[in-house]
Amino acid sequence: GAVVSQHPSRVICKSGTSVKIECRSLDFQATTMFWYRQFPKQSLMLMATSNEGSKATYEQGVEKDKFLINHASLTLSTLTVTSAHPEDSSFYICSGREGEKLFFGSGTQLSVL
Amino acid sequence: EDQVTQSPEALRLQEGESSSLNCSYTVSGLRGLFWYRQDPGKGPEFLFTLYSAGEEKEKERLKATLTKKESFLHITAPKPEDSATYLCAVQAGSGGSNYKLTFGKGTLLTVNP
Repeated sequence: GAVVSQHPSRVICKSGTSVKIECRSLDFQATTMFWYRQFPKQSLMLMATSNEGSKATYEQGVEKDKFLINHASLTLSTLTVTSAHPEDSSFYICSGREGEKLFFGSGTQLSVL
Repeated sequence: EDQVTQSPEALRLQEGESSSLNCSYTVSGLRGLFWYRQDPGKGPEFLFTLYSAGEEKEKERLKATLTKKESFLHITAPKPEDSATYLCAVQAGSGGSNYKLTFGKGTLLTVNP
């Protein structure tokens, strides 16, 4: 299957700082990428959909000014958590669409102290 | 609102003890039902996509089936390496480019040697 690379796998930061997470499709061009958030023992919750070259579409309840998404190329999407707070601590996962299938990155565990 | 319910939440099996996981769904216009495997601290790994009632797909010890209301993931003679959380997701919509997936909470499968 297609490969999606996500970095970093784990990040610890102080409250008030910003964190950037990168998601790359290595062997396919992902015109659409998705960002999910997962709390322990909970479902993956879609945060936003990003399309290459256009603004991201955010799900209801997700603050677009806090979770900045950039999809500048067909192989790279980034999620920046701005002014992170402890409640933003979670597992963030990106995915890229190839045809009718979604392929996921390995996830980023964010811990905000 | 699309809903996906997986049962049981957790399942413990002895090596070689076959069983099934259930995914019940309520959607407006199913476009596809997906099964993923997720290991701790990792992103979901694609297993199967099912598109219409009556469809079945197999991969090694796993077999996925689909009806109009639910899907089953049958595990035949499981091995300890099959231990993981199995996620079910549905893609719904009447057309266009809506590739949003709605996930269930997953079934945590533990296979004891």
